[in-house]
Amino acid sequence: AQSVTQPDIHITVSEGASLELRCNYSYGATPYLFWYVQSPGQGLQLLLKYFSGDTLVQGIKGFEAEFKRSQSSFNLRKPSVHWSDAAEYFCAVGLNTGGFKTIFGAGTRLFVKA
Amino acid sequence: NAGVTQTPKFQVLKTGQSMTLQCAQDMNHEYMSWYRQDPGMGLRLIHYSVGAGITDQGEVPNGYNVSRSTTEDFPLRLLSAAPSQTSVYFCASSYSRLLFFGQGTRLTVV
Repeated sequence: AQSVTQPDIHITVSEGASLELRCNYSYGATPYLFWYVQSPGQGLQLLLKYFSGDTLVQGIKGFEAEFKRSQSSFNLRKPSVHWSDAAEYFCAVGLNTGGFKTIFGAGTRLFVKA
Repeated sequence: NAGVTQTPKFQVLKTGQSMTLQCAQDMNHEYMSWYRQDPGMGLRLIHYSVGAGITDQGEVPNGYNVSRSTTEDFPLRLLSAAPSQTSVYFCASSYSRLLFFGQGTRLTVV
């Protein structure tokens, strides 16, 4: 069955430090890949997506992600974290199976310390 | 630009009660879906619709019904609420495989 794994339940980084959030997926074909962010008490907002082409994709708020087919991974990175980046981050996979469905990972909560 | 609107924002139900969570979008998107969010489990797909009159089940459909009579509205019905349905519910519409979420409904079943 298709699945999305985010191995880190929570991560704490210092403001100004770099960030990498991990995501692995299980799917036979190359999926559509997404990162969404959820601020406290809010709905989810799209950070970035990968459909095809260049495997390094840029998103909003200075985030980027790299698709590595050999590792079935789509890790999210940011070179310098700001306090406002504290939120929960969800990796997701889009599947064309009887209609397009988006499957989410369990999420990684990011804490930023001053 | 309202986007996706969910009502109510908060609801407390007693076990066995029924209710409908409302979802409306003004973007003319054909695809709409309902997710529930539980700690440590991310978002799980309950039901989805690819257009008016067409609905299908997601990962966790038991205990929930949906219908889609118009493009704009996609209500989620809880037939007989159970404590296991305590969760945060998100409605989303979709265009070009991108999801646009509402603000969520926090439901507690006691």
